[in-house]
Amino acid sequence: ETGVTQTPRHLVMGMTNKKSLKCEQHLGHNAMYWYKQSAKKPLELMFVYNFKEQTENNSVPSRFSPECPNSSHLFLHLHTLQPEDSALYLCASSQESVYEQYFGPGTRLTVT
Amino acid sequence: GNSVTQMEGPVTLSEEAFLTINCTYTATGYPSLFWYVQYPGEGLQLLLKATKADDKGSNKGFEATYRKETTSFHLEKGSVQVSDSAVYFCALSDKDTGRRALTFGSGTRLQVQP
Repeated sequence: ETGVTQTPRHLVMGMTNKKSLKCEQHLGHNAMYWYKQSAKKPLELMFVYNFKEQTENNSVPSRFSPECPNSSHLFLHLHTLQPEDSALYLCASSQESVYEQYFGPGTRLTVT
Repeated sequence: GNSVTQMEGPVTLSEEAFLTINCTYTATGYPSLFWYVQYPGEGLQLLLKATKADDKGSNKGFEATYRKETTSFHLEKGSVQVSDSAVYFCALSDKDTGRRALTFGSGTRLQVQP
């Protein structure tokens, strides 16, 4: 595998379910990010991790819970979501000394 | 705070037409500037970048020049193809703030017709 991978690519879940999104980067980067992309809205930054430490939480509801066990892996744990949480969730990574980010293909989430 | 403004889309062009997508920015420091492209069903791909004033980023026939005096980073291509149909995002990173996150524009959809 190369670049940034995300699994699953598609997820349908009910409002009472608990699920997790996984992101893995194979680029040797040390910063990782979660973004939410909704139809007709700008890209929204959710969380930033740098060397496994969370450095930014953009006022995200607690029903989204990130986890970064190491610099290569990032998870987003989901529970009791709302239909308005349906969106494309994108993971990205970057190197410490540069700022361009490399994105995964995203997980298309549908909350029913 | 930092912000990026892109022209509204969709932009519809015929194949081989000239493309310009406007991008202007507001930043407190001296940002690096980026263009990303998102093809249907995919994530964002870095298209090109420029890190200082008067730098020109280029890739796959696309170009953009960092214009500090007009705070702009317009994307251009001389002859578009149907395969260029995608959503294009302008973004900046403000190194002076130490904040790692990029600030993105709202995206411009490009549709190229045969």
